Amino acid sequence: EIVLTQSPATLSLSPGERATLSCRASQSVSSYLAWYQQKPGQAPRLLIYDASNRATGIPTRFSGSGSGTDFTLTISSLEPEDFAVYYCQQRSDWPLTFGGGTKVEIK
Amino acid sequence: EVQLVESGGGLVQPGGSLRLSCAASGFTFSRYGMHWVRQAPGKGLEYVSAITSNGGSTYYANSVKGRFTISRDNSKNTLYLQMGSLRAEDMALYYCARFGGSAAAGYDYWGLGTLVTVSS
Repeated sequence: EIVLTQSPATLSLSPGERATLSCRASQSVSSYLAWYQQKPGQAPRLLIYDASNRATGIPTRFSGSGSGTDFTLTISSLEPEDFAVYYCQQRSDWPLTFGGGTKVEIK
Repeated sequence: EVQLVESGGGLVQPGGSLRLSCAASGFTFSRYGMHWVRQAPGKGLEYVSAITSNGGSTYYANSVKGRFTISRDNSKNTLYLQMGSLRAEDMALYYCARFGGSAAAGYDYWGLGTLVTVSS
């Protein structure tokens, strides 16, 4: 199965700063990668699908890039509500798999 | 408004069985693939199983293959997960999620989850 490795595990930043999250696949997933945000006690929320497409209602400060094995989620300027855990997921091959997550915490 | 409501979780002994349900409303259920995703306490997300819109194809994580069975009843707008030979490592919050298809190729709607506890 395809293994997704997210880095860093934890990112400590201040509001207004830029966040750059990485997701690396053990083999090519083309552009079939999604990003999710999860806050404590809540279900995840779809942010980005197919590497770079924002889901409905997602602010423009969230952007995704990459293809093949290396992907990036960028939050251009962190808002207080953006401090959460972020997961990537591939749909290139079964079984679908998630990365281990990156926690964005307030510095 | 799209709603997904899971039920059927609870306490079960190791080796036991449980059936989860997910009642869908607010959209044409029969047009969407549906998935189960779980999250162990304090851990990350894990894909469990998926089923195509007409139920013709099913897919499983390696960790549950042969023990879990996904199904759906489009006449009742309901998704199911039959879980057998349960292990301690199956203990988690189980979410059902709609796969958005080409318009949003990811899980665009999620339920709140149902908790499965495996313990003697």
